[in-house]
Amino acid sequence: DTAVSQTPKYLVTQMGNDKSIKCEQNLGHDTMYWYKQDSKKFLKIMFSYNNKELIINETVPNRFSPKSPDKAHLNLHINSLELGDSAVYFCATGGYTGELFFGEGSRLTVL
Amino acid sequence: KNEVEQSPQNLTAQEGEFITINCSYSVGISALHWLQQHPGGGIVSLFMLSSGKKKHGRLIATINIQEKHSSLHITASHPRDSAVYICASETSGSRLTFGEGTQLTVNP
Repeated sequence: DTAVSQTPKYLVTQMGNDKSIKCEQNLGHDTMYWYKQDSKKFLKIMFSYNNKELIINETVPNRFSPKSPDKAHLNLHINSLELGDSAVYFCATGGYTGELFFGEGSRLTVL
Repeated sequence: KNEVEQSPQNLTAQEGEFITINCSYSVGISALHWLQQHPGGGIVSLFMLSSGKKKHGRLIATINIQEKHSSLHITASHPRDSAVYICASETSGSRLTFGEGTQLTVNP
């Protein structure tokens, strides 16, 4: 049973479209994150939620809107996609001096 | 602002060699994480350290809080160790700052 599952794994779409990536964790952790990994493989935090509450919003454009319906889910919705949004997006949970668990990543390609 | 630097960026070794990857950070942290990313893309947590040293199989991680420095060592390296190794510092509020990663290639 996968600890952190993200869907979809691959997403190819046109500029200007709106898309969502879903994330679910079954570890019972309070904190969930979205990270973006660019073409140079550099990871950067986008958002952190603790028990459905936004904790970190790391100067991400407001076209990106996270939604946490409950502490096991953190979804990412992106409006008006741009070429520069092409990246791999990782959902994760854990931290706060505990082990981190990552989803498999969602590769977004904007054409 | 916390900066995390890793060295080397790229490392090629022969099977069996002892490998060291270094990580420096600039501010006080609550924990230091070492992560592994294989070519398939998945990221796996190797260690979480707040002091001292941890060992798991052939992997050893150490941290020196005063010097703001951590190292990841791999003993008796194997081709299956080939991956990107990433260190990440954790500060208050579970904020993670990542290094740029070290691409390790172990040749048979």
